[in-house]
Order: sequence, then structure tokens, then C-alpha cells
Amino acid sequence: EDQVTQSPEALRLQEGESSSLNCSYTVSGLRGLFWYRQDPGKGPEFLFTLYSAGEEKEKERLKATLTKKESFLHITAPKPEDSATYLCAVRPGNQFYFGTGTSLTVIP
Amino acid sequence: DGGITQSPKYLFRKEGQNVTLSCEQNLNHDAMYWYRQDPGQGLRLIYYSQIVNDFQKGDIAEGYSVSREKKESFPLTVTSAQKNPTAFYLCASSANSFLRDRGTEAFFGQGTRLTVV
Repeated sequence: EDQVTQSPEALRLQEGESSSLNCSYTVSGLRGLFWYRQDPGKGPEFLFTLYSAGEEKEKERLKATLTKKESFLHITAPKPEDSATYLCAVRPGNQFYFGTGTSLTVIP
Repeated sequence: DGGITQSPKYLFRKEGQNVTLSCEQNLNHDAMYWYRQDPGQGLRLIYYSQIVNDFQKGDIAEGYSVSREKKESFPLTVTSAQKNPTAFYLCASSANSFLRDRGTEAFFGQGTRLTVV
């Protein structure tokens, strides 16, 4: 069964305190792993697509990495405006399977 | 600007009433999706469509119906058979990839919050 698990459920960081979010997956034939950012009351905003183990993508303070079993979203020196829920999803076929997300709070 | 437009942003439904949520995209995407989001449960797939005039049930299709008469539009009807419709509804679209091992990302609208009154 295709499945995505994200950890931790919630994370509180001081401004400037780097950390990582985890996305573990089991899927029959990965056709992409996707990271999204969601602000309260808004739709998810696309961040990254990863296809192959060893692949990395970066955008400002965010870097996503992929292994054969999990993906990490590294946040370097976060700012309060990085506070949001971060979702990951896999696409084994035509459907997307989403994790329940990590709620990140960055305290000034 | 290309994107996905959901309307209305807020919707109130009386008991026993059917309501329709609108989703329109101008990204020229073939695939469209409807998700329901409840606190602590992540996104759950209601229906999806890979092509015009075709759609498939997702994990929680009971009490919902859809149509896909145009490529740009994928409206969702929440029927009176849906006993717990209060939730945040998200529409998404993606391109169908022609590469077997490469699926493309989905883009989302801003959501419709449905409340039963």
C-alpha cells in the first residue's frame, strides 16, 4: 500500500535555528516526490519535485533531498515568515498521496 | 496569469441541501483533482479526472459527485448524502506526463471552506 508519513507533526524553532523535516514513503514505483508549503486558510504552494535518490533542490533557505525511502526538507537559518505547514506527496501513478504535514513555527 | 480559481471562498449549506463548488483552470492541464482537508488528517482524495468526460472515485467519494464536460472546469457537488460535509475543499490540476517514470507536480487553488448551518 502506498503511504507517506511525515515527522515531526509540529516543530518550534528559534529564528536562525536550522533543522530538518522528514518524509518517509512506501510506494510501488515512485514517479516523483513533491514538497508543498501551506499557510492557514490557503491552498498548498508548490516548492520542489524530486525524482531520483541523491537528487537535491534548493530555494532560498530550503533544501530538499531524496533517498530511496525518505526525503528531507532542510531549513537553514529560518525566519518567522517560514512558519507554515509543509506537506510532502508521492505520485506512483495518476494519484497523489499526501502526508499529514509538519507544522513549523519560527519564533523571533 | 495562469492558475486555478476556486469559488466561492466560503460556503454555507443547510441540512439536506446540495451545493456545488466551482474549480476552473487555465493551465491547459489534462488532470484535475478534488481533495478534502480536515484538521490533523491531511488531504484526502474525493475524485479525480485524467481527461474530459472521464473521472474516477478517490478514497472518500461517497456523498459527492463531479462532472468534467470541459478541460478547464471540474465542479464538485456536495450532496445531502454527505453526512459530515464541513471541511476545507481543495481543487488541483496537473499535466499528464508522457514519461513513464516522471510524474508532474500538482497546482492548487485557494480552497473553499464549506460549513453546515
